[in-house]
Amino acid sequence: SQKIEQNSEALNIQEGKTATLTCNYTNYSPAYLQWYRQDPGRGPVFLLLIRENEKEKRKERLKVTFDTTLKQSLFHITASQPADSATYLCALDGEKLTFGTGTRLTIIP
Amino acid sequence: GAVVSQHPSWVICKSGTSVKIECRSLDFQATTMFWYRQFPKQSLMLMATSNEGSKATYEQGVEKDKFLINHASLTLSTLTVTSAHPEDSSFYICSATRRLAGGRDIQYFGAGTRLSVL
Repeated sequence: SQKIEQNSEALNIQEGKTATLTCNYTNYSPAYLQWYRQDPGRGPVFLLLIRENEKEKRKERLKVTFDTTLKQSLFHITASQPADSATYLCALDGEKLTFGTGTRLTIIP
Repeated sequence: GAVVSQHPSWVICKSGTSVKIECRSLDFQATTMFWYRQFPKQSLMLMATSNEGSKATYEQGVEKDKFLINHASLTLSTLTVTSAHPEDSSFYICSATRRLAGGRDIQYFGAGTRLSVL
């Protein structure tokens, strides 16, 4: 069965450093992979979409990579700020989105 | 950006009553809307796919008579939790799809509804 794993449930990073979150998947070959941000008690907010033929995509301080051989996506936030603290979800794109359980990121001032 | 409004944001009800949650796409037409359920520290679990003018498609294990979905227009879908019980207490989130240039659909999410059944 399809499985999505986000490397850690929680991640603490010092302000100013780069935060790197991992999304691994098995038994699946998505054409797209998406990343969302979710704040407590709120719905997810779309951040980035990367296609299977794209190795990397950037948006401001965000960078996403997609390695279909390793079946892995990395999500980077550079120059992290306390306001970046949230839960980040990866989602595999197919007939429907399938979400990982998320990584709760805390940026420590 | 696309805005999806979900109402109410929080509802408390007595066991046995029904609760209706609305999901509206405010600035775009959404042919497809999705309803998710999320328990604390867990991922979003898709409950059903709602298409305008047709019956919703429910995921395995989701009771369609318990969770009634109506998608009467391109901007409104409703989820009614019928005869709610404490085990139905959860965070319910809707999303609406919008097609990007290039043909890819992106889901835009509502803010969610926290349901507490006493």
